[in-house]
Amino acid sequence: EPEVTQTPSHQVTQMGQEVILRCVPISNHLYFYWYRQILGQKVEFLVSFYNNEISEKSEIFDDQFSVERPDGSNFTLKIRSTKLEDSAMYFCAGKRGLAGTGELFFGEGSRLTVL
Amino acid sequence: QKEVEQDPGPLSVPEGAIVSLNCTYSNSAFQYFMWYRQYSRKGPELLMYTYSSGNKEDGRFTAQVDKSSKYISLFIRDSQPSDSATYLCAMINTGGFKTIFGAGTRLFVKA
Repeated sequence: EPEVTQTPSHQVTQMGQEVILRCVPISNHLYFYWYRQILGQKVEFLVSFYNNEISEKSEIFDDQFSVERPDGSNFTLKIRSTKLEDSAMYFCAGKRGLAGTGELFFGEGSRLTVL
Repeated sequence: QKEVEQDPGPLSVPEGAIVSLNCTYSNSAFQYFMWYRQYSRKGPELLMYTYSSGNKEDGRFTAQVDKSSKYISLFIRDSQPSDSATYLCAMINTGGFKTIFGAGTRLFVKA
């Protein structure tokens, strides 16, 4: 049983469309993350989320991106107007412990293809 | 200079070989060092976790951190075909929220 569940596993969308990727971490996770991995490239940090607010974000995470955890369980990543270069695998991750320690538990990923 | 440098490989070895993977980094604030393993089309999974300099052993795996050289290593003894995966080094600075990953080294262990 994975600690972090992501949906959808694969989404194909047209350029300019909005996409929402969903993640359900285990309840005892305190910190939540989105990472992105373009095919054949490194795992890149997008954003971290703690106590219902963004704690840190990368330069990739521009105004087209947003995150929220509206109901205390689902953690979502929204891309408002997708671009071709947003095509990637998006990984949600959760962490139980304090910042700077502890294991990241990754989901299986959501593959986004922008046409 | 990139924060974390890792040779992407691929690295191909025969079964039973000792594998050495390594990363260098530039940020002296990194205090926590990890190795994740990622199978194809899966999320990374934590293999080893060390704090500051030193060695840590877990079964066939040994992680080494040399903060003075800003260099970390992962050794795999008696490598198995099931070890074939991408190995990602990762680091966090004290008080930091984000984990920074290396590019990952693709390892193939041939039976």
